[in-house]
Amino acid sequence: DGGITQSPKYLFRKEGQNVTLSCEQNLNHDAMYWYRQDPGQGLRLIYYSQIVNDFQKGDIAEGYSVSREKKESFPLTVTSAQKNPTAFYLCASSLLRAGKALKHIQYFGAGTRLSVL
Amino acid sequence: DAKTTQPPSMDCAEGRAANLPCNHSTISGNEYVYWYRQIHSQGPQYIIHGLKNNETNEMASLIITEDRKSSTLILPHATLRDTAVYYCIVRSNSGNTPLVFGKGTRLSVIA
Repeated sequence: DGGITQSPKYLFRKEGQNVTLSCEQNLNHDAMYWYRQDPGQGLRLIYYSQIVNDFQKGDIAEGYSVSREKKESFPLTVTSAQKNPTAFYLCASSLLRAGKALKHIQYFGAGTRLSVL
Repeated sequence: DAKTTQPPSMDCAEGRAANLPCNHSTISGNEYVYWYRQIHSQGPQYIIHGLKNNETNEMASLIITEDRKSSTLILPHATLRDTAVYYCIVRSNSGNTPLVFGKGTRLSVIA
């Protein structure tokens, strides 16, 4: 099945610890994205990447880091500098070259719920 | 990208049509209207998009007014599984920056 896989589904972080959220896609999409969602709120962009070995900060990048060593993978690290990491994290991907507006259709994973112990 | 305005919540009886409005009065000529929905604790799901003509697919219909300043997403026969937050997003077809999600409309389908 083609799709986006996020793991783990639930994650707990201890004080001062870095944790890494995994995102893998087998859709052959060029771009990948990380969003954060707090209860009752919309999605806020953390980082995105349009090509391997390149990525851009979104609106709330502080306290987070990413890498894009392979087209299929875009892991997100929540560092100890992120003082309020409890949230629902969503990964998405999309094409960059497609007809009409198809390139702006983003496909999402099932999310990772991160909590602080 | 143009800003959108949606009501925070709506109710709909099961089996009836759900009509979700979206205002985008500052939309420009090359901007598309996209609709996504997010069922509780899941990732958002693409529903439909359009430029100026009405569009229909297996999930929904999208009606865009002639002046393109507003649109309506129609779920023709709402079921309990359609209970979700629905996001209306306006986006230019040039450039490659990510979609920006607002707070959307929380649709509750009631038995």
